[in-house]
Amino acid sequence: ILNVEQSPQSLHVQEGDSTNFTCSFPSSNFYALHWYRWETAKSPEALFVMTLNGDEKKKGRISATLNTKEGYSYLYIKGSQPEDSATYLCATREGSNYKLTFGKGTLLTVNP
Amino acid sequence: NAGVTQTPKFQVLKTGQSMTLQCAQDMNHEYMSWYRQDPGMGLRLIHYSVGAGITDQGEVPNGYNVSRSTTEDFPLRLLSAAPSQTSVYFCASKQGLAKDTQYFGPGTRLTVL
Repeated sequence: ILNVEQSPQSLHVQEGDSTNFTCSFPSSNFYALHWYRWETAKSPEALFVMTLNGDEKKKGRISATLNTKEGYSYLYIKGSQPEDSATYLCATREGSNYKLTFGKGTLLTVNP
Repeated sequence: NAGVTQTPKFQVLKTGQSMTLQCAQDMNHEYMSWYRQDPGMGLRLIHYSVGAGITDQGEVPNGYNVSRSTTEDFPLRLLSAAPSQTSVYFCASKQGLAKDTQYFGPGTRLTVL
């Protein structure tokens, strides 16, 4: 079983702050990395899927980078808003195995 | 497209009862999976299927059965419910390519008394 670690476990920021968090994973046999946004009482919503070392993806104020050689991905949120409050999950796919292994998530709270 | 649908949304069972959680997708996805979400544990994979007629165990399969008779449907059966199975259950589906997104259903909140 892959060990996918996310840090920090939680963080609180003020509206307007920029923030980032980390997803670490085993770099051997890497296939793909997924980021999800998960609001309370809802289902996870896909943000990005990245496969190539050096990949960068952007969606509005949210962006992500990927380093497959050292086994990490960063998720950045620029100018956080209260509606960004959610748990951010990452998941990796190993080899050609369809399965995704999820980290435990980073809970972001943005205070107005 | 309805995407991934799950029924019921909520269910209360007594210990020892059996039931089936339904999951369907209308995106012709090959891969479907079931997860459970528990506080502090993240999402854990119960069972998955890479196509009709093919299923396999995930991380926490004990106490659950699945079948995949059609591409669209992937029901999860609780054989004899236990309080430890109180959880929120999510069904998900995706195509098989590396860059394909996995889509989640709305979840089923199950309480076993």
